[in-house]
Amino acid sequence: DIQMTQSPSSLSASVGNRVTITCRASQDIDNHLAWVQQKPGKAPKTLIYAASTLQGGVPPRFSGSGSGADFTLTISSLQPEDYATYYCQQYLRYPLTFGGGTKVEIQ
Amino acid sequence: QVQLQESGPGLVKPSETLSLTCDVSGFSIGSAYYWGWVRQPPGKGLEWIGNVDYSGITFFNPSLKSRVSISLDTSKNQFFLKMRSVTAEDTAIYYCARRVRRSGSHWFLDSWGQGTLVTVSS
Repeated sequence: DIQMTQSPSSLSASVGNRVTITCRASQDIDNHLAWVQQKPGKAPKTLIYAASTLQGGVPPRFSGSGSGADFTLTISSLQPEDYATYYCQQYLRYPLTFGGGTKVEIQ
Repeated sequence: QVQLQESGPGLVKPSETLSLTCDVSGFSIGSAYYWGWVRQPPGKGLEWIGNVDYSGITFFNPSLKSRVSISLDTSKNQFFLKMRSVTAEDTAIYYCARRVRRSGSHWFLDSWGQGTLVTVSS
């Protein structure tokens, strides 16, 4: 299985701050990576696929980058509604695997 | 716009079979894509269980493969999860999800159901 490792596991930031979350795959996955947002008590929502392509309706303050084994999710200006846990997920190989999640809290 | 909705018993006894249904609206499941399940134990992360493609071909997480089946009923636009011999470790929120193809080779989970909590307890 491809292991996905995220860091940090949690962070606290103020509204308006720039936030960066990193994800590392245990092997080269090219750009077959998605970022998934899960707000408390809600279903997951996929924000980004192909490492950097935003799904429709996702605010442009979210961006993704990376290729190979190292990836980054950036929120350019954190908003109160961005309080959530973020997961990276590879879909190159079965089984699909998720990172452990990064919990973003608003200061 | 596609919508998915899970349903099934919220309580299952240990050693019995967990059975869930995902109702799909806004898209015909027999026309394309993969249809699958992801679970999340309380307070923990996401685990992919498996998926079935529109023709009925299945793929499972090896950690669960011996106990899981996923099937389609295209006439009702539903797909199903069955998990045998459950234990307390199978207590989780179960999500159904669609896996679509975009930009050539990118097969990712684009739409999710709201989830249903299944508790395994006697």
